[in-house]
Amino acid sequence: QSALTQPPSASGSPGQSVTISCTGTSSDVGGYNYVSWYQQYPGKAPKLMIFEVSKRPSGVPDRFSGSKSGNTASLTVSGLQAEDEADYYCSSYAGSNNWGVFGGGTKLTVL
Amino acid sequence: QITLKESGPTLVKPTQTLTLTCTFSGFSLSTTGVGVGWIRQPPGKALEWLALIYWDDDKRYSPSLKSSLTITKDTSKNQVVLTMTNVDPVDTATYYCAHSRGYRISYYFTYWGQGTLVTVSS
Repeated sequence: QSALTQPPSASGSPGQSVTISCTGTSSDVGGYNYVSWYQQYPGKAPKLMIFEVSKRPSGVPDRFSGSKSGNTASLTVSGLQAEDEADYYCSSYAGSNNWGVFGGGTKLTVL
Repeated sequence: QITLKESGPTLVKPTQTLTLTCTFSGFSLSTTGVGVGWIRQPPGKALEWLALIYWDDDKRYSPSLKSSLTITKDTSKNQVVLTMTNVDPVDTATYYCAHSRGYRISYYFTYWGQGTLVTVSS
């Protein structure tokens, strides 16, 4: 059982927008602005897409954006493309006794 | 260019100790703010946070695995080693090491190794 809750799946058609949620508690997501998001293709290592809730590393398309409200963080993918089909994981700092946690992952399907 | 690569046994017997080495290049683990973490992923399952070591030798562990994990660094060799004692078949997973940036609690994993699959079986 993962510490952060994500929907198992999400989908959208090319060109549409889709939002993936990541729900935690006030001890992790809600307590700090240290949420990151990772994209993972089958059989490949994860790739950083968003850090500190909403910051994008260089090279990540601006179609990817992050936000947070209360204990829930969100990753929005706008203008969906076929190459966006992958698994997405959120992660958060969770306090001095539980330095890091991941979500259960969301499989994004581009219809 | 930052690269990381995990190495270690592919098969370990239950109750044995697993030792994994992360060899990296393109950065120094003596640079303020830098860390190296370990994350694993059982087949078909989610990522699991294991441990993180910082430039100043600060070490952090998953509370559920803290008693069985040890993370160390050798700055001169550009290596980070993770040991896990008393392994069980549930520890079968792909183990990743990753470079972290961000100061202390604001860390995030910027670059990841390719991962190494470890199977625990008798």
